[in-house]
Amino acid sequence: EPEVTQTPSHQVTQMGQEVILRCVPISNHLYFYWYRQILGQKVEFLVSFYNNEISEKSEIFDDQFSVERPDGSNFTLKIRSTKLEDSAMYFCASSEESGVVDTQYFGPGTRLTVL
Amino acid sequence: DQQVKQNSPSLSVQEGRISILNCDYTNSMFDYFLWYKKYPAEGPTFLISISSIKDKNEDGRFTVFLNKSAKHLSLHIVPSQPGDSAVYFCAARRKGFQKLVFGTGTRLLVSP
Repeated sequence: EPEVTQTPSHQVTQMGQEVILRCVPISNHLYFYWYRQILGQKVEFLVSFYNNEISEKSEIFDDQFSVERPDGSNFTLKIRSTKLEDSAMYFCASSEESGVVDTQYFGPGTRLTVL
Repeated sequence: DQQVKQNSPSLSVQEGRISILNCDYTNSMFDYFLWYKKYPAEGPTFLISISSIKDKNEDGRFTVFLNKSAKHLSLHIVPSQPGDSAVYFCAARRKGFQKLVFGTGTRLLVSP
């Protein structure tokens, strides 16, 4: 069964450093998403991406964040200058379309630890 | 953001019995609801969904009920199995938007 994959599974970085989290969405999916879950808190939406541009973003997704689909398979989330509060699980998701009965399928996540 | 609430942080059920997980929402613009299951160190796994034009959707052991007037949905698992032990998240999406709004989750423990 096709699945969303993410690398790395765990990333440790120093505050102020740039990180890039990578995702390979399900191959025939057209919509891509990033969510995060800070320890003990809810899963929160960050951004959605369609047709090579951001289609929706949350207030969390500020200028420190960017997304890119550099080739036909990868989808990346870049955090330009990490802060301690960026430590969280980051989940990538994809969906075939964005209609009424669309379903988002999630990857296993990348645990980001900012020291 | 308290638009989706799961008021029970945990639920314990015996194997073979019914598990009922509840979810309440406040935003009447939500038109699509999903349940995800999550194991530790894994991503949310899609279980079942329901559109606001329906009041019930069934898939094997899993049934989701939607009561729009009460802004309430529930997930029934019958019969419950030890492998069902996980955290269950309710999520909702507003018509015309892609963002999923998640509840805080309910930890289900199914004991043999």
